[in-house]
Amino acid sequence: AQSVTQPDIHITVSEGASLELRCNYSYGATPYLFWYVQSPGQGLQLLLKYFSGDTLVQGIKGFEAEFKRSQSSFNLRKPSVHWSDAAEYFCAVGTEYGNKLVFGAGTILRVKS
Amino acid sequence: NAGVMQNPRHLVRRRGQEARLRCSPMKGHSHVYWYRQLPEEGLKFMVYLQKENIIDESGMPKERFSAEFPKEGPSILRIQQVVRGDSAAYFCASSPLAGEQYFGPGTRLTVT
Repeated sequence: AQSVTQPDIHITVSEGASLELRCNYSYGATPYLFWYVQSPGQGLQLLLKYFSGDTLVQGIKGFEAEFKRSQSSFNLRKPSVHWSDAAEYFCAVGTEYGNKLVFGAGTILRVKS
Repeated sequence: NAGVMQNPRHLVRRRGQEARLRCSPMKGHSHVYWYRQLPEEGLKFMVYLQKENIIDESGMPKERFSAEFPKEGPSILRIQQVVRGDSAAYFCASSPLAGEQYFGPGTRLTVT
């Protein structure tokens, strides 16, 4: 069965600093991987996805993620964090074409000025 | 193109009542998914539907919960005889034939 681990429950970074959110997955076949962001009281917005091909994927809002099969990881990065990036971030793995997503527990990002 | 729509956004029910949550997928999307987000827990898959068919309901509680996606109209998640443990945020997502899922704003159910 698929599973996703986000080892950091909370992360605090200074505005303008770089960010990396960790995600490790467990899945027997080629994974379909996603990062979503959720602001308080809101739904989830898709930041980026990996289905196949180039292992470095670009998303919205300046985010990128790198798929590393050897490490079963799909870490999310941003070179310079803005105060508006404060939110909760979820990594998810899906079966073929992303059906039935399995989510990690989420990482809450705080941005200090 | 409007996004995934869910209503109501907030729903309060007393124990024993029924809750009906509605989801209208994005235009052109024929796949609908329901997820539940319990306090202090992540999102958990409940059910995956296509028009008039339940494809995967492996995440649905065995009793009191049901879902449908009729030929016409929104998808409905129905919870009968609600209990306090059903209090959660329920999210609907839709996708085209194949691909990423787009989420609605959620329905926050409170059972008193």
